[in-house]
Amino acid sequence: NAGVTQTPKFQVLKTGQSMTLQCAQDMNHEYMSWYRQDPGMGLRLIHYSVGAGITDQGEVPNGYNVSRSTTEDFPLRLLSAAPSQTSVYFCASSYLPGLKGQGYTFGSGTRLTVV
Amino acid sequence: GENVEQHPSTLSVQEGDSAVIKCTYSDSASNYFPWYKQELGKRPQLIIDIRSNVGEKKDQRIAVTLNKTAKHFSLHITETQPEDSAVYFCAAKAGGTSYGKLTFGQGTILTVHP
Repeated sequence: NAGVTQTPKFQVLKTGQSMTLQCAQDMNHEYMSWYRQDPGMGLRLIHYSVGAGITDQGEVPNGYNVSRSTTEDFPLRLLSAAPSQTSVYFCASSYLPGLKGQGYTFGSGTRLTVV
Repeated sequence: GENVEQHPSTLSVQEGDSAVIKCTYSDSASNYFPWYKQELGKRPQLIIDIRSNVGEKKDQRIAVTLNKTAKHFSLHITETQPEDSAVYFCAAKAGGTSYGKLTFGQGTILTVHP
């Protein structure tokens, strides 16, 4: 049982490049989400999904796309990287409310630098 | 949407003292309030949580209290130890159609001096 697996751990991009951050969970969690963490600003929600085929925007969605084709995977795509997207990105998953528990399990994070 | 404010942003205590971190939330429909601890360079880890139908919950040296009327909740750490030094985040999960969405506070950097 690996929990939530994020890749890569570190990435440097040039402005305008695109890339995909990978997130996979093996806990059969319905809910998956992406957060970015910036100093002094806590964790801000980018996009989330309540099940395969269902995604929605969070607080800071601009410049990012997601898809959820399977229960296990929830990739985050940066369309055209900008220096403002330099951040640490966390994927998190949980059961939906009312089921086995609501605590989030976080991935180990991806430290992204855009130059 | 939900807004969560967390105070203080930094907290410094001596080993053995107590530490209290407070959060307020804006959405009265929020029904789940977890606390996360994040050590330097690591992922956030759930340390304790409380649901809206409970006023207080304890787990060894940590406790959380919830005041639904005032829309605030607090984390209490007693007999602090140097290994408690970390960033602590509170969060609130709204009910209804905001299924599963957690809104986080800005974080508190706790430093416990030996």
